[in-house]
Amino acid sequence: DSGVTQTPKHLITATGQRVTLRCSPRSGDLSVYWYQQSLDQGLQFLIQYYNGEERAKGNILERFSAQQFPDLHSELNLSSLELGDSALYFCASSVGVTDSYEQYFGPGTRLTVT
Amino acid sequence: KNEVEQSPQNLTAQEGEFITINCSYSVGISALHWLQQHPGGGIVSLFMLSSGKKKHGRLIATINIQEKHSSLHITASHPRDSAVYICAVRGYGQNFVFGPGTRLSVLP
Repeated sequence: DSGVTQTPKHLITATGQRVTLRCSPRSGDLSVYWYQQSLDQGLQFLIQYYNGEERAKGNILERFSAQQFPDLHSELNLSSLELGDSALYFCASSVGVTDSYEQYFGPGTRLTVT
Repeated sequence: KNEVEQSPQNLTAQEGEFITINCSYSVGISALHWLQQHPGGGIVSLFMLSSGKKKHGRLIATINIQEKHSSLHITASHPRDSAVYICAVRGYGQNFVFGPGTRLSVLP
C-alpha cells in the first residue's frame, strides 16, 4: 500500500458526460501528479500540482482540468467524454516538487466511456 | 522516431538469470525514472537517476547521459519480478515522456 488513495476504483459513463476523479496524497506529500494509461498510447503525463499551484503540464486535453485543494487532495475533471478517454488514470504523490523525490502511485481509477 | 525507446519489448527468463532492460532517449533530460507495473496494474517507482548508478537489492540502474542510454539490471531473477518495466524521462520543460515498456516473465 503506497498511502495514495484514489476514488472511485471503477467508473462507467456515457459519451458526452463529465466525471471527477479524486486523489488523496500520502501524508506530508505536497506534489500530486496525474497520468493517463490507455491501451493504444501507453502512459502519458497530464499535470503536476505542488502545494495548490500548477507546476508542470503535459498532454492534458482542454476538456480536462485539475486542481489541488488546501488539504492537498486533488481532483481531475474530465468533460465532454469521448470513447477514446477510456483509460486507467493514476495519480502519484511526492514530498517535493522536483524529480529528486520518489513518486508513490495510487491504485488508479479505471474509466470506461460507452 | 519515438522520444523514448525500450528493448526488448518482451523478455522471458528462467529463474536465477541475470536480466538487462535497455532504454534510449533522444531529448535532453533532467532525470530518468524506472517504473515497475505489476500484472494487477499497480505501479511502483524503482529508481530516479540523473547520473551514474543506483542499486536497490537485486536491482541496479545505470545511466549514460552522453549516450542518452539507461539500463535496468535484475540479478538472480525470481518469478515475482514478472512485470512490465517502464522507462520515463523528464525533460527540461518538466514534461514526462514514457517508453512503451518491457514485459518480463520469469519462469520457475
